[in-house]
Amino acid sequence: EDKVVQSPLSLVVHEGDTVTLNCSYEVTNFRSLLWYKQEKKAPTFLFMLTSSGIEKKSGRLSSILDKKELFSILNITATQTGDSAVYLCAVARAGGTSYGKLTFGQGTILTVHP
Amino acid sequence: NAGVTQTPKFQVLKTGQSMTLQCAQDMNHEYMSWYRQDPGMGLRLIHYSVGAGITDQGEVPNGYNVSRSTTEDFPLRLLSAAPSQTSVYFCASSYSLGANGLDGYTFGSGTRLTVV
Repeated sequence: EDKVVQSPLSLVVHEGDTVTLNCSYEVTNFRSLLWYKQEKKAPTFLFMLTSSGIEKKSGRLSSILDKKELFSILNITATQTGDSAVYLCAVARAGGTSYGKLTFGQGTILTVHP
Repeated sequence: NAGVTQTPKFQVLKTGQSMTLQCAQDMNHEYMSWYRQDPGMGLRLIHYSVGAGITDQGEVPNGYNVSRSTTEDFPLRLLSAAPSQTSVYFCASSYSLGANGLDGYTFGSGTRLTVV
């Protein structure tokens, strides 16, 4: 059974702080790891990391994938109140009909105070 | 493009009633999935489809049926609603990037279902 564990489960910081969110995984036939941001409604896609792309950056957000140790981190620098959200990590399998399956972690609730 | 459209946005059912949650996408995506989200549990996969006519079970399929007669539509049927099915339901779709797996799934805006 695939397993994705995120830590911490919740985090409270002040604007300007840097945060690191963790995601460890166990999955059969790993294909990719995805990060999502969820505010009030649907999750929105942030990054996808694969064997051929183990580091991604977009503005103040960056993410790395360690395929050997089976984890990923999501860094947010100079946090803003608009970064307050639930951050979800998910892994995708490869092969056959498993191709479309994503397994999600529990999420990290990030609260950024002014 | 409308993206992924889910209807209804809110629904209250009585125990034992049946209903269908609708999901449609206009992006010609091959892959479509249904997830439920409960507090503290992230998103859990109910059913998914890798193309028209092909569906498979996810992590929590009991009490739900799906079909995929067209590329665009992937309805989720609750056969006999139970209070344990009170949740927020998300439909998602994606296309394949071949060797790099899936693009990030695009999610619908969700259906909040309450079973009393």
